[in-house]
Amino acid sequence: GAGVSQSPSNKVTEKGKDVELRCDPISGHTALYWYRQRLGQGLEFLIYFQGNSAPDKSGLPSDRFSAERTGESVSTLTIQRTQQEDSAVYLCASSQVRDSGTDTQYFGPGTRLTVL
Amino acid sequence: AQTVTQSQPEMSVQEAETVTLSCTYDTSENNYYLFWYKQPPSRQMILVIRQEAYKQQNATENRFSVNFQKAAKSFSLKISDSQLGDTAMYFCAFMKRANNDMRFGAGTRLTVKP
Repeated sequence: GAGVSQSPSNKVTEKGKDVELRCDPISGHTALYWYRQRLGQGLEFLIYFQGNSAPDKSGLPSDRFSAERTGESVSTLTIQRTQQEDSAVYLCASSQVRDSGTDTQYFGPGTRLTVL
Repeated sequence: AQTVTQSQPEMSVQEAETVTLSCTYDTSENNYYLFWYKQPPSRQMILVIRQEAYKQQNATENRFSVNFQKAAKSFSLKISDSQLGDTAMYFCAFMKRANNDMRFGAGTRLTVKP
């Protein structure tokens, strides 16, 4: 079946503009995650959704970052007043949640954000 | 909080040889999963192998196998018969079974040489 998809694949924006990144999880996956990956570094957890609610927002770096999810499907990550330090690849992942616990996360291809 | 450490920023191996990537982690949890993900230049994160902490048997997926030492909190990845397509960043990850808290190591860049 279809995997996790993200759009756009690349986004170049000017400092101070707002950007919106989209993630379409695997159908039926109730859990959805956002990560940030700076150049040459590992993954930094941002936020996690179970259904449409976000029980863990602890990774959001500032109040300029927000995310929402609707219909237990699509999620958008919004960055307001972008700064150059926001430049990174933003990765989305989804997983099933079973009675036995959370299953493996499957990743999308990411959105490369460049803030000029 | 859980931490994951990959002490080898870069490694290289000759094609058809075997290479082992190291990973250690620190946790007070007893129920958790461990993963190795591969990230080629295309930047797609691809699951390589997964280990459930309550299972003593080491996970194996074709040419990929792990050496899981729970007491030592070590989770190394062995790649046998290395292929050029194995060239990528490899990330070790830890996830609590009870929730969705997943932590990644900093990664090891593996280059397979012809």
